[in-house]
Amino acid sequence: NAGVTQTPKFRILKIGQSMTLQCTQDMNHNYMYWYRQDPGMGLKLIYYSVGAGITDKGEVPNGYNVSRSTTEDFPLRLELAAPSQTSVYFCASSPGEFGANVLTFGAGSRLTVL
Amino acid sequence: GDSVTQMEGPVTLSEEAFLTINCTYTATGYPSLFWYVQYPGEGLQLLLKATKADDKGSNKGFEATYRKETTSFHLEKGSVQVSDSAVYFCALSDPFLQGAQKLVFGQGTRLTINP
Repeated sequence: NAGVTQTPKFRILKIGQSMTLQCTQDMNHNYMYWYRQDPGMGLKLIYYSVGAGITDKGEVPNGYNVSRSTTEDFPLRLELAAPSQTSVYFCASSPGEFGANVLTFGAGSRLTVL
Repeated sequence: GDSVTQMEGPVTLSEEAFLTINCTYTATGYPSLFWYVQYPGEGLQLLLKATKADDKGSNKGFEATYRKETTSFHLEKGSVQVSDSAVYFCALSDPFLQGAQKLVFGQGTRLTINP
């Protein structure tokens, strides 16, 4: 029973490089989310999805892209990495219509852009 | 828009002390309120929740009561343990206004318990 799995756990990028943070869940949850957590700050929503093929912007979407081709997977793409994207990224999922507020989080991916 | 404000950290207590972490919120609708906990090196976990005014959420000795009149959801525990050392996040969700049950988080309060 893995829950929400994120890879990689750590990554260092150079300015302008691209990468994809992977997220997969095995709970058959409809809703998935990407948050970023900056030091001393709360989590801010980047993108979310209410089901396969449906995504929408959150509070801080600039510089990121997502896709949701399956219920299980919700990758986050950084196209041109910038130092401002240095952060810890959390993927989360929730069931949907009932109990939707209870999110299950992955362990996080720490990204440093130099 | 909706927002959550938590007391500034870090908070350091001795084992068996009483804990209060203050949380107040601003919301235009009728939000659900949550406390999440983040242990070192891990993702966030739901600690407790309350979905309407005067509800009390409780778990692992922690409690919080949804106070609509003071727009607060303070976290309390009568006797803390070293294992309670973590970062605590207050959060709200107002599905009728924001859709998709998105959570709005406070900035987090780091708690350290000394033996």
